Amino acid sequence: DAGITQSPRHKVTETGTPVTLRCHQTENHRYMYWYRQDPGHGLRLIHYSYGVKDTDKGEVSDGYSVSRSKTEDFLLTLESATSSQTSVYFCAISESQGKGEQYFGPGTRLTVT
Amino acid sequence: EDKVVQSPLSLVVHEGDTVTLNCSYEVTNFRSLLWYKQEKKAPTFLFMLTSSGIEKKSGRLSSILDKKELSSILNITATQTGDSAIYLCAVAAGGTSYGKLTFGQGTILTVHP
Repeated sequence: DAGITQSPRHKVTETGTPVTLRCHQTENHRYMYWYRQDPGHGLRLIHYSYGVKDTDKGEVSDGYSVSRSKTEDFLLTLESATSSQTSVYFCAISESQGKGEQYFGPGTRLTVT
Repeated sequence: EDKVVQSPLSLVVHEGDTVTLNCSYEVTNFRSLLWYKQEKKAPTFLFMLTSSGIEKKSGRLSSILDKKELSSILNITATQTGDSAIYLCAVAAGGTSYGKLTFGQGTILTVHP
């Protein structure tokens, strides 16, 4: 498996609280992505990064922000968690854009009550 | 907006059967199509198909890309219970998309003994 870890692996939080999920890689890959997975929707891209301090929005970015201060870490923050953000969150990395396959982390299951 | 559609959404077969999963796409500046297998954890990479590599095979699994029809199929022959999983199709766009993947909803395959 590619060297990707996510923390925490499970979290339960209350509506309105901020939450930060961490993705850490040991592969020194340039590209990192955050997805959420919900039944019937497959995987949907939240935000992605194409280098340190270089990030952009995906298709479902509202209510989320990201930061990447080091190559190996990509943080996803839910500024004020809502029940609609209950989901499984996956981080992915890629060495090259487009033609390179993405490798996924183990996922974080987040429940917002 | 990029779009990927998979069919069928679910499929139940018996061991030994052959199955064909479908994926169609509408993507601006197509770069590659990828297939992933997801059991009760993170998606794992199966194949990547591009204009220069439209057919891939690994054991009982094979995949073909039809660029004219904007579609791909994933074939699994002599299915086994271990093939039970969600199969995800994704398309990568080129240009300034930085390898972003657009996923289909997935096909849930159940193989009974």
